[in-house]
Amino acid sequence: GESVGLHLPTLSVQEGDNSIINCAYSNSASDYFIWYKQESGKGPQFIIDIRSNMDKRQGQRVTVLLNKTVKHLSLQIAATQPGDSAVYFCAEFASGNTPLVFGKGTRLSVIA
Amino acid sequence: ETGVTQSPTHLIKTRGQQVTLRCSSQSGHNTVSWYQQALGQGPQFIFQYYREEENGRGNFPPRFSGLQFPNYSSELNVNALELDDSALYLCASSTTGFYTEAFFGQGTRLTVV
Repeated sequence: GESVGLHLPTLSVQEGDNSIINCAYSNSASDYFIWYKQESGKGPQFIIDIRSNMDKRQGQRVTVLLNKTVKHLSLQIAATQPGDSAVYFCAEFASGNTPLVFGKGTRLSVIA
Repeated sequence: ETGVTQSPTHLIKTRGQQVTLRCSSQSGHNTVSWYQQALGQGPQFIFQYYREEENGRGNFPPRFSGLQFPNYSSELNVNALELDDSALYLCASSTTGFYTEAFFGQGTRLTVV
């Protein structure tokens, strides 16, 4: 398959450990945020979202934290598995019909 | 797997040619957005269509154009292809309004030689 991101920041994690991927967003007016996972040769896959009136949201093995004061998002993955290896993007959305704006992405590499 | 499908999956074109990429949106979704993803970058917004009208556009020249059909499927057309147009082109479908998830297709990998 193709490589999605050749020069992205990389996080290497041992299988079974927890992963934390960080994202700084740019627009203080953004009020909805999504984390996407993108595997090589595939389109971005929705993982979890959060609205600006929340500071934490949990899904299955994933948690998103939002700190509006410093415009920072994080994605926590519990008990990381080899199948979690991918590039992860945060995307911000400023409301209405404005488009999603994507961050630069982080490559997660899980060491078995 | 999302219900968003794109065709073709891979395409090679010569500089100066024209290309049409296609996208079928997920059932129930009336908004389609197109993104360009260069190698090593996040997706960049090209434009968005809602009910057959363009209602948002990113920083792309007019040679990038699109259509949306009554069944909400969409096309992306690029004229006078340049080498820098080589990228993964992604289509995302969603419903309108606030706080709506956007679901992406698998993309079309365009190579311009």
